Amino acid sequence: DIQMTQSPSSLSASVGDRVTITCRASQTINTYVNWYQQKPGKAPNLLIYGASSLQSGVPSRFSGSGSGTDFTLTISSLQPEDFATYYCQQSYNTPLYTFGQGTKLEIK
Amino acid sequence: QVQLVQSGAEVKKPGASVKVSCKASGYTFVDYYIHWVRQAPGQGLEWMGWINPNSGGTNYAQKFQGRVTVTRDTSISTAYMELSRLRSDDTAVYYCARGIYSSGTYHSFDSWGQGTLVTVSS
Repeated sequence: DIQMTQSPSSLSASVGDRVTITCRASQTINTYVNWYQQKPGKAPNLLIYGASSLQSGVPSRFSGSGSGTDFTLTISSLQPEDFATYYCQQSYNTPLYTFGQGTKLEIK
Repeated sequence: QVQLVQSGAEVKKPGASVKVSCKASGYTFVDYYIHWVRQAPGQGLEWMGWINPNSGGTNYAQKFQGRVTVTRDTSISTAYMELSRLRSDDTAVYYCARGIYSSGTYHSFDSWGQGTLVTVSS
């Protein structure tokens, strides 16, 4: 099975900061990576699919990049509502869809 | 708008089974996969399996093989996830999610149910 490893596991940042979260796959997965945001007590929300395509309705301060085994999610200027936990997910090794362990983004 | 509405919280004893429902609305039910994902308290997301509502075909994560069954009733646009032989570490919030293909190739989960808390306790 393909393992997805995120770093860091947690991160403290301030409003207005530029933040990058990394996800590494245990084998090459082309650009078959999705990113989700989850707030406490809520279901996850799709942000990015295909490594870099912004889901409809998601603010443009969110962006994704990468291919092969290394991927990043970048938030260009943190807003108060962005403090949440972020998950990457691989969709290469279908029919299996594994998630990373999550990165918790907290207010500094 | 697309909506997935799940059944309410459940409390079960170890060894019992639980069946969670997920009713879809706002789109053609048979045109999109339904996935099941769980989240133990304070933990990350764990993909469990999917169903193709059109064909009824399913696929499960190896971890849950033999214990999980996902079914659907197309007449009421509802998918079900049944987990048997429950253990305390099955205590989690269980989500259903709609799977979509974008650009013809990228599969992701674009709409989610509100989650169903299943508590396993003696």
